[in-house]
Amino acid sequence: EAGVAQSPRYKIIEKRQSVAFWCNPISGHATLYWYQQILGQGPKLLIQFQNNGVVDDSQLPKDRFSAERLKGVDSTLKIQPAKLEDSAVYLCATRDVGNTIYFGEGSWLTVV
Amino acid sequence: QKEVEQNSGPLSVPEGAIASLNCTYSDRVSQSFFWYRQYSGKSPELIMSIYSNGDKEDGRFTAQLNKASQYVSLLIRDSQPSDSATYLCAVNPIKAAGNKLTFGGGTRVLVKP
Repeated sequence: EAGVAQSPRYKIIEKRQSVAFWCNPISGHATLYWYQQILGQGPKLLIQFQNNGVVDDSQLPKDRFSAERLKGVDSTLKIQPAKLEDSAVYLCATRDVGNTIYFGEGSWLTVV
Repeated sequence: QKEVEQNSGPLSVPEGAIASLNCTYSDRVSQSFFWYRQYSGKSPELIMSIYSNGDKEDGRFTAQLNKASQYVSLLIRDSQPSDSATYLCAVNPIKAAGNKLTFGGGTRVLVKP
């Protein structure tokens, strides 16, 4: 079974530029999450989708972050404009019917 | 107060010894609890889940839950150098619905040969 796919794996941008991350979930997993993990900290939930609907985006900085999950499959997370403090790993995760959450390898963002 | 708290470590243990990791949580309605292992530069991987008070064993790992004390722990027996990683405690308020996970900051474990 293929895992959660994310791209790009690494990205370096200047502050105030924009960036987009893509996630392809495990087939059949209806719930998809985007987490932000700053170095030395645990992952923090940014947004949760159930199919193509948003369940929780209470911790998403909506002035600069946006996310969508068209057709309830792939998802994109966008940051515009980026700030230095956005440097982190962005983890996409999906959940199976047995309540197990699977993480992708992550997209590493450095803002300079 | 953080929702999920862990000692950041590092917790240094000799090979073959028992590593004991602790986690406390603030939300009393929390129903399910998870331990994830994260190697440097890698994504978290689930190693244990526990839903009821008491102990749950899986190989060299034992999770312990005490809801009255809002405390969950992980024991790693016969620690191996390959167990060197950061261990993340995660809490979910709803047992069956699989709602969002709230993570602690992680405890770094170093197993010395």
